[in-house]
Amino acid sequence: NAGVMQNPRHLVRRRGQEARLRCSPMKGHSHVYWYRQLPEEGLKFMVYLQKENIIDESGMPKERFSAEFPKEGPSILRIQQVVRGDSAAYFCASSPPRGETGELFFGEGSRLTVL
Amino acid sequence: DAKTTQPPSMDCAEGRAANLPCNHSTISGNEYVYWYRQIHSQGPQYIIHGLKNNETNEMASLIITEDRKSSTLILPHATLRDTAVYYCIVRGSGSARQLTFGSGTQLTVLP
Repeated sequence: NAGVMQNPRHLVRRRGQEARLRCSPMKGHSHVYWYRQLPEEGLKFMVYLQKENIIDESGMPKERFSAEFPKEGPSILRIQQVVRGDSAAYFCASSPPRGETGELFFGEGSRLTVL
Repeated sequence: DAKTTQPPSMDCAEGRAANLPCNHSTISGNEYVYWYRQIHSQGPQYIIHGLKNNETNEMASLIITEDRKSSTLILPHATLRDTAVYYCIVRGSGSARQLTFGSGTQLTVLP
């Protein structure tokens, strides 16, 4: 059973470009979470999605950031007009649709570098 | 979700037990205690969780005090690969399913 797959693992963008990060949850998981980790800082929750629905986006910056989890295909975290402060590791996690045990399964992250 | 307090760093000798404390004095009755760890630059890894009773799995043991205001994660025979940041997280059941990570404890296992 493959784990949470994130790609690309490393992404370099120039200021003003767009970054798209993809996350394929574990098989059978319908809940996806995105976290951001700035250099030398902790993990910060960004957004929680179920298939075709955003459940909680309280951690998402108000501008330039968006996330989706379509019926088919991976979840996408999109950052428009990137700035240097967006350089970070972005982690995706998934969890199964039932159960309240709180176990999240994390991917290995996508590391965005903005030049 | 209740706030947790952990020491910022700890050292442990290789082969010895590592005991990582966590205070969660405001925990409520339906909140679980979770432990995750993050080895440098990798994705966080689930270790164990519990509600009231002590728990053990192949990775670690979780000891929760009777009043549930604190807990201890025990790695029985620490290895160099256990060097990581360990996060203690308290979260209740319900609609908010995401986990809130604090600053954790940097455990360094020394040879």
